[in-house]
Amino acid sequence: TAGITQAPTSQILAAGRSMTLRCTQDMRHNAMYWYRQDLGLGLRLIHYSNTAGTTGKGEVPDGYSVSRANTDDFPLTLASAVPSQTSVYFCASSESQGSTDTQYFGPGTRLTVL
Amino acid sequence: GQNIDQPTEMTATEGAIVQINCTYQTSGFNGLFWYQQHAGEAPTFLSYNVLDGLEEKGRFSSFLSRSKGYSYLLLKELQMKDSASYLCATMDSNYQLIWGAGTKLIIKP
Repeated sequence: TAGITQAPTSQILAAGRSMTLRCTQDMRHNAMYWYRQDLGLGLRLIHYSNTAGTTGKGEVPDGYSVSRANTDDFPLTLASAVPSQTSVYFCASSESQGSTDTQYFGPGTRLTVL
Repeated sequence: GQNIDQPTEMTATEGAIVQINCTYQTSGFNGLFWYQQHAGEAPTFLSYNVLDGLEEKGRFSSFLSRSKGYSYLLLKELQMKDSASYLCATMDSNYQLIWGAGTKLIIKP
């Protein structure tokens, strides 16, 4: 089974440009998450979705937006990228939010903003 | 505030035992997770503790003391493939994970 896929694997983006990071899961999980991982810091939650049609803000939501039109897909959009958004972005999913269900992670997208 | 501390890096020898510590202060507590992350890859789930005590799973064991805000991950019979970062994360009262920065474990032959 594929689990969670992310695209692209890596990207170099000019500052001020927009970009959408794609995330798809085939486990029929209700909850999905976007994290960023920076050197020396723990994973930080950007946005999450408890179920299709709902989204919520995490610890570091500024500069990012998400949508959850269906169960499988949870894209993350940077409307106008800035160099501080250079990071590795991980998408994750769990059976449900509001529980202790294990989160499963995609392979990540390495984004460099110049 | 919320804070998770774990050592930045540890070195151990193949075949030996290593203990990776994690201390935490969080608002609300719904358990503690350990994940393994090889360089350039996704974190993968290792263990979950919500009650005090030791949980053993093959070569890996995880311990929790809620009163002390302390956990450790114990890796036995170390193998070269165990070289990775080990991430400690607590689940807060909103069921969101708060992550430590991770401990990079280097295994030497």
